[in-house]
Amino acid sequence: QSALTQPASVSGSPGQSITISCTGTSSDIGSYNLVSWYQQHPGKVPKLLIYEVNKRPSEVSNRFSASKSGNTASLTISGVRAEDEADYYCCSYGGGSTLVFGGGTKLTVL
Amino acid sequence: QVRLQESGPGLVKPSQTLSLSCTVFGGSIRNDDYYWSWIRQHPGKGLEWIGYIFYSGTVNYSPSLENRISISVDRSANQFSLKMRSVTAADTAVYFCARVRTVWSGSGSYSRVAHFDSWGQGILVTVSS
Repeated sequence: QSALTQPASVSGSPGQSITISCTGTSSDIGSYNLVSWYQQHPGKVPKLLIYEVNKRPSEVSNRFSASKSGNTASLTISGVRAEDEADYYCCSYGGGSTLVFGGGTKLTVL
Repeated sequence: QVRLQESGPGLVKPSQTLSLSCTVFGGSIRNDDYYWSWIRQHPGKGLEWIGYIFYSGTVNYSPSLENRISISVDRSANQFSLKMRSVTAADTAVYFCARVRTVWSGSGSYSRVAHFDSWGQGILVTVSS
């Protein structure tokens, strides 16, 4: 069971849109619509942003959206703001009823 | 609003057993819609899923840790616990407990773990002599 692959870092200027990719395999992302995304600010607890590929909890801003194609999931942040600067993690259900995280992506708002 | 709280020693000696508990407040651990999980985060690193348990006692562990860990549940105390044997400095991390939402099949005959919708604050465990 290998970690999902995310870019180590992405950056964007305020107001821009950024996309973070999360690549797995046919045994996890490719087989199940059970991808979730989490935001973690330094020293804080991870926060659920997206579940079941593209569903958003009611308290999460609609600037956050997500999708999946094949073995790759993507998180898009529209109109990036300074407060969006954080680490982002994807997670997927995988073979053997396991769960696997991505390595995390650090978003820098320029 | 459910709340989870980790407890346990913050310092464990190498080769000993790490023992942590997670108490669930504001909701019952006996709920068919949720599993209960442990996740850790090494200093400055990413999240690592450790394992989860259902209130009935059904467990599932990360293949990379399954030979050293066990997760148990105490329904009367609304708690679940993690034990990790033979720890080394590489086990130094912040340990989170979390609630895992399940998704049921259309027929309702089975469910799959889906996402972590509530987290504890985390507890730093340092392995050092």
